[in-house]
Amino acid sequence: GAGVSQSPSNKVTEKGKDVELRCDPISGHTALYWYRQSLGQGLEFLIYFQGNSAPDKSGLPSDRFSAERTGGSVSTLTIQRTQQEDSAVYLCASSLGARGNTNEQFFGPGTRLTVL
Amino acid sequence: AQSVSQHNHHVILSEAASLELGCNYSYGGTVNLFWYVQYPGQHLQLLLKYFSGDPLVKGIKGFEAEFIKSKFSFNLRKPSVQWSDTAEYFCAVDSSASKIIFGSGTRLSIRP
Repeated sequence: GAGVSQSPSNKVTEKGKDVELRCDPISGHTALYWYRQSLGQGLEFLIYFQGNSAPDKSGLPSDRFSAERTGGSVSTLTIQRTQQEDSAVYLCASSLGARGNTNEQFFGPGTRLTVL
Repeated sequence: AQSVSQHNHHVILSEAASLELGCNYSYGGTVNLFWYVQYPGQHLQLLLKYFSGDPLVKGIKGFEAEFIKSKFSFNLRKPSVQWSDTAEYFCAVDSSASKIIFGSGTRLSIRP
């Protein structure tokens, strides 16, 4: 079956503009994660959705960042008033979550965001 | 709070050398443990995982990891590395119902 997909693959924007990044998880996966990977840095956790529970937003770096997950499937990460330090690869992952007997995450290809 | 430490940020080895990458976590309860790998230009992918049973876990491409509960460690090993093992390696910990936490990663460079 299809894996996790993300769009766009690349996004170049000007400082101060808003951007939306999209993630389509694997069908049936109840857990969805957003991470940020900056050059030379590890994976920085941003936000976690599990089923219908309230999302864990503890990793969002500022109130300019928000995410939603509609119908328990597709997720959108929104960055408002982008700054140059927001430039990074944004990764989405999904897993079976609490229902499955494994929490292996399957990663998408990422969206490379460049803020000029 | 749950955390994962990978103390080696960049490891450089020659082909055929043995590899051990450290991973320590802080959580006292039951954990699931993972190593993920990201080859240049590719997605992150699962290398191996530990849920229960034999603490010595075999993964793909000749990698293995040993869960030592008393040391809160899950070090990754390979007896003889190849140039194609050049990649970034991430350790991750899942404490049952919690979200999965990743370490900061170790970049492995293999000299041909």
